[in-house]
Amino acid sequence: EVQLVESGGGLVKPGGSLRLSCAASGFTFSSYSMNWVRQAPGKGLEWVSSISSSSSYIYYADSVKGRFTISRDNAKNSLYLQMNSLRAEDTAVYYCARGKGGQTSGYIDYWGQGTLVTVSS
Amino acid sequence: SYVLTQPPSVSVAPGKTARITCGGNNIGSKSVHWYQQKPGQAPVLVIYYDSDRPSGIPERFSGSNSGNTATLTISRVEAGDEADYYCQVWDSSSDSWVFGGGTKLTVL
Repeated sequence: EVQLVESGGGLVKPGGSLRLSCAASGFTFSSYSMNWVRQAPGKGLEWVSSISSSSSYIYYADSVKGRFTISRDNAKNSLYLQMNSLRAEDTAVYYCARGKGGQTSGYIDYWGQGTLVTVSS
Repeated sequence: SYVLTQPPSVSVAPGKTARITCGGNNIGSKSVHWYQQKPGQAPVLVIYYDSDRPSGIPERFSGSNSGNTATLTISRVEAGDEADYYCQVWDSSSDSWVFGGGTKLTVL
């Protein structure tokens, strides 16, 4: 059974940093691209970042480019999101999600349950 | 950047057919995927590559994509189908995935 378990969320002050982690199990992690998608309270889904299976290709939404860094450790079956210079508008539930079908035509076939990040003073 | 436009809400009576649209410039040339999200839960994939259904998704869910509009169709709607639905594509001009704003399906 595919499982994606996020951790690392919490309350942080504007300008602060946070590192999210996602522990994957139930599939060959190194064979799949991975993604972070967020959802602000009461709002829709927003794609944040994607990383290819070997970390060769990395993509970011304009809203986080230069502030967030996605990475993965295939030996540890783990995905990460380093978030710096956090803003109030980054407040959201952050989902770890498995990609399928390639980046340019692909989709998400499994989602974690999400971790809440709150940016507030 | 590429914009996907969905109606904020769609209402349908049980047993009827619901159609949720996703508009975008020449979206027919892109692969469209659809997700269902119930309150307090993570999204679930219901349609991929315009019209394919993942295993476990009822045949009542179908999709189409042509011109400037992609459509998710739910036949014989049940109370359990009440949820938010999102479309998603890849935008090659910005190298980014794009989600529609979401449509809340209400079963009357």
